[in-house]
Parts: sequence; structure tokens; C-alpha cells
Amino acid sequence: DIQLTQSPSFLSASVGDRVTITCRASQDISSYLAWYQQKPGKAPNLLINAASTLQTGVPSRFSGSGSGTEFTLTISSLQPEDFATYYCQQLNRYPLPFGPGTKVDIK
Amino acid sequence: QITLKESGPTLVKPTQTVTLTCTFSGFSLTTNKVAVGWIRQPPGKALEWLAVIYSDDEKNYNPSLKSRLTITKDTSKNQVVLIMTNVDPVDSATYYCAHRQRGYSPFDKWGQGTLVTVSS
Repeated sequence: DIQLTQSPSFLSASVGDRVTITCRASQDISSYLAWYQQKPGKAPNLLINAASTLQTGVPSRFSGSGSGTEFTLTISSLQPEDFATYYCQQLNRYPLPFGPGTKVDIK
Repeated sequence: QITLKESGPTLVKPTQTVTLTCTFSGFSLTTNKVAVGWIRQPPGKALEWLAVIYSDDEKNYNPSLKSRLTITKDTSKNQVVLIMTNVDPVDSATYYCAHRQRGYSPFDKWGQGTLVTVSS
């Protein structure tokens, strides 16, 4: 089975900061990776599909890149509403694990 | 507009069987390439994918839980049911159902989740 790791697991940042989160897969998953944002007490919300395709309605400050085994989610200028936990998920083959998550907190 | 909503017991005892229902609208599970999956999240922990069922009745399960899970669909009621047997306190979690398309698609619409606590 494919395993996902995320780094860092916790990130403290200020409004306006550029933030980068990394997701690594244990095997080549091509570009079949999604990113989700989850706020406390809420269901996850899909941000990015196919490693770099922004979902409709997601602000352009979010971007994704990568292929193969290494992927990044970047927030170009962190906004107050972006403080949340971010998860990656591989979609290349079953099972469909999520990464362990990265919590972005206010500095 | 696609919506999903989970329902089920809030408290179950260890060793019991829990049945969770996902009632959805805005799409049909008779439509080709559509799927509904289940994902859970223990309090304060990460998301864990459990199972998915497709419009053609294809099913896939998390191998670590496969022996305890059954996923079924009732297209006339627009429902997907997840049955988990022999529950343990470690199964306490918020259980989400979500919509996806066949192929390499993510879960693009999620229900609000339902919290299930396993305790004697």
C-alpha cells in the first residue's frame, strides 16, 4: 500500500506569510493527489485536485505542484481564514489514504 | 446541488455492530461513474478512508478494516449504508460520507459527519 507523509506536522505563521506544505508518497502516484482544508468541527473541503488544479471558488493564493512522489501546497499570502489543518490524499490506486495532516496556526 | 448527510447511533457498546446511513441528493447512484465513500476521523486525529461504492456496485475497502466493513447502496432511497461489526473504543470517530467520480477523482462533496462513540 502507498503511504503518505506530510511536513511539517505543525506550522506557526503570521498573516501575509508564504506557507509551503510538503506531501511525500512512498511510491510514484503520478499527479493523482488532492489537497483538502479542514477547519475545527467541519468536514474537509477540497482545494486542489490532480496535484495542481484549483477547485472552483478556491482563492488563487492557493497553489499546488509536484508529481511522482513529492508534492507541495503553497499559500502565497496567508489570510486569517486559512488557519486550519491541511491533508493530502493519493488517488492513484486503492486504498486511498490521507496524509497525517499539517496544522497551520497563528503565530 | 450535491448534498450528503450521515445518520446513525451516537453511542454503541463494544463488540456491537453499527449501521451508518448516508442520504444524498443532487446526484444518482444509477449514473455511470458516480461513487460514494466513507471516511472517518477520531477526535483530534487524521482522516482515514474506509470504503467506496460505485454506481455499478463495485466496492473497495480499506484492507486494514475490510473484514469488519460492508458497504451497500439503495438507489431507490438515494442512500449508502456502511456496516461495521465488532466495534471497539478505537472506532470512536466522526464518520463522513462523500461523493466522488470514478477514476482518479477526489472526494469533492462531503457530508457534515456523524460522531459515533464506542463505550460500555
